[in-house]
Amino acid sequence: DAGVIQSPRHEVTEMGQEVTLRCKPISGHNSLFWYRQTMMRGLELLIYFNNNVPIDDSGMPEDRFSAKMPNASFSTLKIQPSEPRDSAVYFCASSFQGGAYEQYFGPGTRLTVT
Amino acid sequence: AQSVTQPDIHITVSEGASLELRCNYSYGATPYLFWYVQSPGQGLQLLLKYFSGDTLVQGIKGFEAEFKRSQSSFNLRKPSVHWSDAAEYFCAVGPGGGADGLTFGKGTHLIIQP
Repeated sequence: DAGVIQSPRHEVTEMGQEVTLRCKPISGHNSLFWYRQTMMRGLELLIYFNNNVPIDDSGMPEDRFSAKMPNASFSTLKIQPSEPRDSAVYFCASSFQGGAYEQYFGPGTRLTVT
Repeated sequence: AQSVTQPDIHITVSEGASLELRCNYSYGATPYLFWYVQSPGQGLQLLLKYFSGDTLVQGIKGFEAEFKRSQSSFNLRKPSVHWSDAAEYFCAVGPGGGADGLTFGKGTHLIIQP
């Protein structure tokens, strides 16, 4: 059983470039979460979706960040333009609303903006 | 606003010794509590969770945690650690409902001495 899939696993880009991170949740899960992990701030919730609808994006740092979930099996997190302070590990997690409420995490995307 | 405090940034334990990692939370209602483990370069794996009922919960890999409402604590324990337990451990709190984001502590880095 395939867990949460994230791509790419590593991304190195230059400041000002657009970055798109991708996530495929576990089949049958209807909630999807994007988190960011940095040494300074730890793990922070950026945004989450229920049934493909964004519910809370209060954690999105600024307008340069956007997230979409066009269908139940795919989500993207886009940063445009990217800045060095966006360097972090970005995790996607999914869960089944109404179930045991366990969030399953993907392996993460390590983003480096130079 | 909910918060989680893990007072120990690093803990060093000898292999075979017992372990206790501390976690204190702040939450206005009955919390859902979790412990996750992260190995280097990996995503987060759920060790155990508490929703209600018995305040002593058992998890995977021989871990257990005890919920103490009066102390707002949810400490993680293991009677005898193995070298493979070396990792980063995160405590998290979330509201009920099965589809809301989690608030994580900053993590405790566990080092195992031979």
